[in-house]
Amino acid sequence: GDSVTQMEGPVTLSEEAFLTINCTYTATGYPSLFWYVQYPGEGLQLLLKATKADDKGSNKGFEATYRKETTSFHLEKGSVQVSDSAVYFCALRLSNTGNQFYFGTGTSLTVIP
Amino acid sequence: EAGVAQSPRYKIIEKRQSVAFWCNPISGHATLYWYQQILGQGPKLLIQFQNNGVVDDSQLPKDRFSAERLKGVDSTLKIQPAKLEDSAVYLCASSLFDKAGTEAFFGQGTRLTVV
Repeated sequence: GDSVTQMEGPVTLSEEAFLTINCTYTATGYPSLFWYVQYPGEGLQLLLKATKADDKGSNKGFEATYRKETTSFHLEKGSVQVSDSAVYFCALRLSNTGNQFYFGTGTSLTVIP
Repeated sequence: EAGVAQSPRYKIIEKRQSVAFWCNPISGHATLYWYQQILGQGPKLLIQFQNNGVVDDSQLPKDRFSAERLKGVDSTLKIQPAKLEDSAVYLCASSLFDKAGTEAFFGQGTRLTVV
């Protein structure tokens, strides 16, 4: 079935370090891909998205490229800040399964000063 | 633009009691979702509405959970009777279109604790 697999956390980085959170997907078709971020006590907020192969989504210094050949959508940021500490969810949405969202299990990131 | 509103933010009930959650989506959003998020996991879809019709409720435990969306706007999710394993955050989300490339906007959620 359709699913998303994220790298397990928690991830702890020092401020200004490089961030990569891996995300791979399985889908019977061509999904749209999303990264959501969840700050403590809050709902999910869209961070970025890509709707077709080779698209790059970017926002707030984060970016991810839709790689059809490796079925991946890895999240990267060149220099993380303490304020980036949150849980990050990779998700896919596929039209041939009723446009339902499938979320990964989330990766917790803590950035220390 | 106002976001997705949910209430209450927190609820503590005893098992076998009933509870209801309310959601007001972003104005004009036809699609509304209820998700259950258990601690340490990603959100799991419970039910999806398109206007006031149900699109997908395949993962809703219908023996105890029910949901409605009156007039295609506000929605309520009810649990009766609650079990310990229902302890979770219940997230409401809405999207403008029911299309694969459209993002969903989430409310802050209701944290339910069943004791």
